[in-house]
Amino acid sequence: GESVGLHLPTLSVQEGDNSIINCAYSNSASDYFIWYKQESGKGPQFIIDIRSNMDKRQGQRVTVLLNKTVKHLSLQIAATQPGDSAVYFCAEAPQIYNQGGKLIFGQGTELSVKP
Amino acid sequence: NAGVTQTPKFRVLKTGQSMTLLCAQDMNHEYMYWYRQDPGMGLRLIHYSVGEGTTAKGEVPDGYNVSRLKKQNFLLGLESAAPSQTSVYFCASSYSWSNTEAFFGQGTRLTVV
Repeated sequence: GESVGLHLPTLSVQEGDNSIINCAYSNSASDYFIWYKQESGKGPQFIIDIRSNMDKRQGQRVTVLLNKTVKHLSLQIAATQPGDSAVYFCAEAPQIYNQGGKLIFGQGTELSVKP
Repeated sequence: NAGVTQTPKFRVLKTGQSMTLLCAQDMNHEYMYWYRQDPGMGLRLIHYSVGEGTTAKGEVPDGYNVSRLKKQNFLLGLESAAPSQTSVYFCASSYSWSNTEAFFGQGTRLTVV
């Protein structure tokens, strides 16, 4: 069946270093791939998305890379800050009109930033 | 704007009891969703709605019912709570079916004993 999973459950980085969070997906039919950030005690928050016909998209301090050949998605965070400490989820969204934009989430990677 | 508001934030139920979780959004979004999040797992979709008066089943709908009588509200009901429904429940809303940015509430931590 469809699944979106993450390679590593935890990631620890030094403040100021770059972080790379990886995700493997299995459904090639998804139109969008998305990254969400969830801080402790809060709901997930949208970070960035990428359409399936793209291989790279940049935001503020974040870059998402999509490799459709190996079904791999990654989130790069530049100059990681303590405020980046959170659980990061990748998700996929099949863009079908009557599917209501549903999100299929992976398991999550916990990012810990050491000062 | 408050965004997405869930009530209550915490609840403890006994097995067999019923309860309703309320989700309200003030962004005039058409689409609303209920997810559950269990330890070590991502969010799983329970039910969703593509507009006022409509509901549909998600990935894990058994044991839950929903209603969307008003566009701004999406209710999740548990008719007979079971320990397996102990979880954190999140409500979310989005503007349209093609919009990947969903806005989430703060969550409701439910414990069924």
